[in-house]
Amino acid sequence: QSALTQPRSVSGSPGQSVTISCIGTSSDVGGYNYVSWYQQHPGKAPKLMIYDVTKRPSGVPDRFSGSKSGNTASLTISGLQAEDEADYYCCSYAGRYTHFVFGTGTKVTVL
Amino acid sequence: EVQLVESGGGLVQTGGSQRLSCVASGFTFSNYWMSWVRQAPGKGLEWVANIKQDGSEKYYVDSVKGRFTISRDNAKNSLYLQMNSLRAEDTAVYYCVTNGDYNFAYWGQGTLVTVSS
Repeated sequence: QSALTQPRSVSGSPGQSVTISCIGTSSDVGGYNYVSWYQQHPGKAPKLMIYDVTKRPSGVPDRFSGSKSGNTASLTISGLQAEDEADYYCCSYAGRYTHFVFGTGTKVTVL
Repeated sequence: EVQLVESGGGLVQTGGSQRLSCVASGFTFSNYWMSWVRQAPGKGLEWVANIKQDGSEKYYVDSVKGRFTISRDNAKNSLYLQMNSLRAEDTAVYYCVTNGDYNFAYWGQGTLVTVSS
């Protein structure tokens, strides 16, 4: 099972919006509405930011939103803030035997 | 407060074995699937294995099948990963993670396993 494809890096100025894509296949992203997104600051454990494509856990700012079209999922961060600078990973359920596949990761830089 | 505390990491020789443990608190451990997720130094996340609430189903990523065994003890609120025939490419931080409803909501701080000859 290959990793989902994400851009290596994206950047934006404070207050701007950035979107991270996550490209999979019909066996993972396109086949299930179980895409999740994780934020990871250096030296820290990942944190769940979005689950089931569009849902936000309690405590996650509504600046973070998720979507999906076909085999591509996306995470949008609106009103970019300095503390949003981190690595972001998508993840998709991929069926009973493969179970889960993560994306390659994207570094978000706040200019 | 949910807490997941891993232990058992360290330096191990190529071909050797290591057993990781994770103690859970702050939630009903026996109600959750649990997973191990790893991250090689400077690399991305990789799901390694998961186990059903009662231990009756276990699944692994292809690269560890036949070498790693996931298990749990609900009476001790504990999750384990027995790793045998370790390779250099198994070097990573291993995270214990709750695996409910197709996502990973809670993560431990991780334990580093270094495989070296």
